[in-house]
Amino acid sequence: DGGITQSPKYLFRKEGQNVTLSCEQNLNHDAMYWYRQDPGQGLRLIYYSQIVNDFQKGDIAEGYSVSREKKESFPLTVTSAQKNPTAFYLCASSVNSGNDHGQFFGPGTRLTVL
Amino acid sequence: GEDVEQSLFLSVREGDSSVINCTYTDSSSTYLYWYKQEPGAGLQLLTYIFSNMDMKQDQRLTVLLNKKDKHLSLRIADTQTGDSAIYFCAESIHRDDKIIFGKGTRLHILP
Repeated sequence: DGGITQSPKYLFRKEGQNVTLSCEQNLNHDAMYWYRQDPGQGLRLIYYSQIVNDFQKGDIAEGYSVSREKKESFPLTVTSAQKNPTAFYLCASSVNSGNDHGQFFGPGTRLTVL
Repeated sequence: GEDVEQSLFLSVREGDSSVINCTYTDSSSTYLYWYKQEPGAGLQLLTYIFSNMDMKQDQRLTVLLNKKDKHLSLRIADTQTGDSAIYFCAESIHRDDKIIFGKGTRLHILP
């Protein structure tokens, strides 16, 4: 079965700690994305990567970092510099050719900072 | 700039049709999408339409596009309790561009 997996589903972190959220896809998609979702605010783009070893900042990149060393993987690190990290984090991927359109999403990770 | 607007809430009786509306500002938008999000889950792509189309139908779903008014709608026929979710309208200019999402419309089904 092809798809996008995110782990863990729930994550708790103490204030001041860095934490890394995992995102893996076996869809052979070129592009991958990280979004943050807060109640009533829709989705906000954190970082995206259209190709391995390259990524760009989205609208709210401050306090976050990413890497794209493999096509299948796009981990997101929430650093202690992120002022308000408690949110629902969604990873997505898309293919830039063929018949597929749109982004396909993982199940999300809910991060709570204590 | 790019913006996608949609109303935040919609209540519909079970069995009726639901119509969720969306407006966008970028006339260059080429791809328009509808996503569904159930509680605690990721977004599921329901359907998409190209800007050179007026309508697309897929089973109970009908998408209408008025490009002149930059208005997109999603009609769900025979609304069921399983349709209760948040529906996001989204647009992009190019296929590999980042997608701009609306804030979502929460669809509530009345018995």
